[in-house]
Amino acid sequence: QTVVTQEPSLTVSPGGTVTLTCASSTGAVTSGHYPNWFQQKPGQAPRALIHNTNNKHSWTPARFSGSLLGGKAALTLSGVQPEDEAEYYCLLYYGGAYVFGTGTKVTVL
Amino acid sequence: QVQLQESGPGLVKPSGTLSLTCAVSGDSISSNNWWSWVRQPPGKGLEWIGEAYHGGSANYSPSLKSRVTISVDKSKNQFSLKLTSVTAADTAVYYCARIYCSDISCFKFDYWGQGALVTVSS
Repeated sequence: QTVVTQEPSLTVSPGGTVTLTCASSTGAVTSGHYPNWFQQKPGQAPRALIHNTNNKHSWTPARFSGSLLGGKAALTLSGVQPEDEAEYYCLLYYGGAYVFGTGTKVTVL
Repeated sequence: QVQLQESGPGLVKPSGTLSLTCAVSGDSISSNNWWSWVRQPPGKGLEWIGEAYHGGSANYSPSLKSRVTISVDKSKNQFSLKLTSVTAADTAVYYCARIYCSDISCFKFDYWGQGALVTVSS
């Protein structure tokens, strides 16, 4: 069974920068996994942020960016705002099936 | 603006069948997009359940494949989820989502429903 692992929690100061990563148990994450990233706040549905590694949706703030970093998918938040405090999930494609990451709780403190 | 709305029973008995529908507005269910279900047990992470295309194709999570069916109803512009032989472990908020496909590729999850809580209990 494929496992996609994220950092359980990260803390960042307002205005700072934080990078979340997404690792696959099958090996390096590539563009062929078409990484998606989502933000979820308590009691709300997930909101799409990034698709196909580094493409933003029309509603995605410019401070969010996606990339591949050291064999993992990565989501970088630059100039963090208090409203960025949330759970973040990655999603990877494995030839006919998708697997969500374990999620990262980002605290802005 | 694309909108998705889940509906269905909020309580299902153990060993029964969970059935949910996702009504789509702002897009045609017969467009070149895929339609997906995702669930989230209380206090836990997201789990991809599966996806379906209006042409009849569907893909499912290997862990749920034996119990799940996702189908598309073109006449009502909606798609549905059926999960059989449910247990308490299937208690979750169930979300529907659109997977947008361009001329180049798919794999773009964009619009989501607000979610529907389904509890499995006698």
